Amino acid sequence: SQTIHQWPATLVQPVGSPLSLECTVEGTSNPNLYWYRQAAGRGLQLLFYSVGIGQISSEVPQNLSASRPQDRQFILSSKKLLLSDSGFYLCAWSLTGGDEQYFGPGTRLTVT
Amino acid sequence: GQNIDQPTEMTATEGAIVQINCTYQTSGFNGLFWYQQHAGEAPTFLSYNVLDGLEEKGRFSSFLSRSKGYSYLLLKELQMKDSASYLCAVSNNNDMRFGAGTRLTVKP
Repeated sequence: SQTIHQWPATLVQPVGSPLSLECTVEGTSNPNLYWYRQAAGRGLQLLFYSVGIGQISSEVPQNLSASRPQDRQFILSSKKLLLSDSGFYLCAWSLTGGDEQYFGPGTRLTVT
Repeated sequence: GQNIDQPTEMTATEGAIVQINCTYQTSGFNGLFWYQQHAGEAPTFLSYNVLDGLEEKGRFSSFLSRSKGYSYLLLKELQMKDSASYLCAVSNNNDMRFGAGTRLTVKP
């Protein structure tokens, strides 16, 4: 069966510090991978998606970036965090675009 | 533009039936999804509709009308554990757009 891992579970970072969140999927090959952010009490905002190694599509221009160095690894990064980057970051995978997505446990980021 | 609208909050009684509505206007459509999200947790997949009509899965059913841009999620025999947010999402190829979610509170 497929599983998706995210770490860390929680993170408190000062404004201006860098960020690296990692997501890995097990039990499937060549999945579509997604990064979402959910602000408190709000819906999910799609940040990036990837259909393959090295292929990243950005949905929202901002100070975040994503990379997919391996088939089942998806990384979300920032060089300098802003207060507005606080939120619940969720990684998800699907078999193809348009299929149901399965979410990792999420990382709760607080920027102070 | 793209809009997915659903009520912000709903309250229902244990054992009852509740219907959560979702209307959407999107530039493309590959399917409509419902997810359940308990507070502080990740969303979990509930149901998927691509054709008009009703899909039933145990206590949960989901309905779609593509011509009306409308869906609903029906929860029967409500249990306290059904208290959660319910997210409506519309897929267009690699792009999944989520509504803000409906927070359902089930009371004894």
